[in-house]
Amino acid sequence: DGGITQSPKYLFRKEGQNVTLSCEQNLNHDAMYWYRQDPGQGLRLIYYSQIVNDFQKGDIAEGYSVSREKKESFPLTVTSAQKNPTAFYLCASSIGTAHTMNTEAFFGQGTRLTVV
Amino acid sequence: DAKTTQPTSMDCAEGRAANLPCNHSTISGNEYVYWYRQIHSQGPQYIIHGLKNNETNEMASLIITEDRKSSTLILPHATLRDTAVYYCIVRVKAAGNKLTFGGGTRVLVKP
Repeated sequence: DGGITQSPKYLFRKEGQNVTLSCEQNLNHDAMYWYRQDPGQGLRLIYYSQIVNDFQKGDIAEGYSVSREKKESFPLTVTSAQKNPTAFYLCASSIGTAHTMNTEAFFGQGTRLTVV
Repeated sequence: DAKTTQPTSMDCAEGRAANLPCNHSTISGNEYVYWYRQIHSQGPQYIIHGLKNNETNEMASLIITEDRKSSTLILPHATLRDTAVYYCIVRVKAAGNKLTFGGGTRVLVKP
């Protein structure tokens, strides 16, 4: 089935360690996104990518890094520079490029990261 | 970015219509209105979108005012499974496909 997959669903890390969250889609979508959600809050955009080998910072990019080497993959690294990394992380993808904005975004089921 | 304003929360009786308002008074002519919902601890789910005409699909109806400064999402017969946070989003073309979420409306459907 086509879709967007995030793994793992739950992730625990020690403070000071970098951790990479996986996001894979087989929908042939150009655009991919990473969001962070804290308890009781809305989604905040971390990074987004409109095309392979290109990405832009969102509203809260500090302490995070991404890569887009393949169309289907957009991994997010939470670095030790991120002061409050414990959160629910959501990945999304959409067909749209700068020329086609009339498209919906599909979301993965999220990764809940806990840093202790 | 055209920002949206939604009520923080609302209750709805099961089987009744739920009308969710959204204000987007600074929307520009080429921006679409999208609605998503998020059931607890899951990824958001697309519901519907529109530009200026009213839209309907199997999940909901979207009513956009003539001046496009506000819209209403209608869930015609709310069920307990419709309990979720509902997000109204305006798509920003200038920033590529940046998709920005606000706080949303927490809808509780009661038996």
